[in-house]
Amino acid sequence: DIQMTQSPSSLSASVGDRVTITCRASQNIRSYLNWYQQKPGKAPKLLIYAASSLQSGVPSRFSGSESGTDFTLTISSLQPEDFATYYCQQSYSTLTFGPGTKVDIK
Amino acid sequence: EVQLVQSGAEVKKPGESLKISCKGSGYSFTNYWVAWVRQMPGKGLEWMGIIYPGDSDTRYSPSFEGQVIISADKSITTAYLQWGSLKASDTAMYYCARRVTATAPFDYWGQGTLVTVSS
Repeated sequence: DIQMTQSPSSLSASVGDRVTITCRASQNIRSYLNWYQQKPGKAPKLLIYAASSLQSGVPSRFSGSESGTDFTLTISSLQPEDFATYYCQQSYSTLTFGPGTKVDIK
Repeated sequence: EVQLVQSGAEVKKPGESLKISCKGSGYSFTNYWVAWVRQMPGKGLEWMGIIYPGDSDTRYSPSFEGQVIISADKSITTAYLQWGSLKASDTAMYYCARRVTATAPFDYWGQGTLVTVSS
């Protein structure tokens, strides 16, 4: 199975900060990497698909990039509503999620 | 409007059986895969399995194969997740989600069904 790791596991940031979360796949997954945001008590929400495509309705401060088996989610200017947990997910083969990155208020 | 509406919270005893549901509307139910995802208390997301209601093609995560059954009734646009004998460790929130192809992301999610298993 393809393993997904995320770093950091948590981070504290302030409104307006630039935030970067990294996800690494254990093998080549091409660009089949998606990012989700989950707030407490809510279902996950798709932010980025195919590594760098922004889901409709998602603010442009969210962006995704890739380099080999490393993938990055960037929030250019953190907003109050962005405090949440972020998960990566590979959809290249048997689906797997990363362990998540919790973003909380500094 | 695309919606996935899940059945309500359940409280069960160990050894009991359970079937929870996920009703799709606002899209062609038979043309999208429906997956089930587990989230144990305070933990991350785990993919359990997926079904294509159009032909009932079903695939399971190795971690959940033999532990649950995923099914769908396309006549009422509903997918199901069922257990034959619940354990305390099945206590979790369960989400359904749809995807259009085998490699696509999950673009719509249900609101979740909380299953509590306790004696």
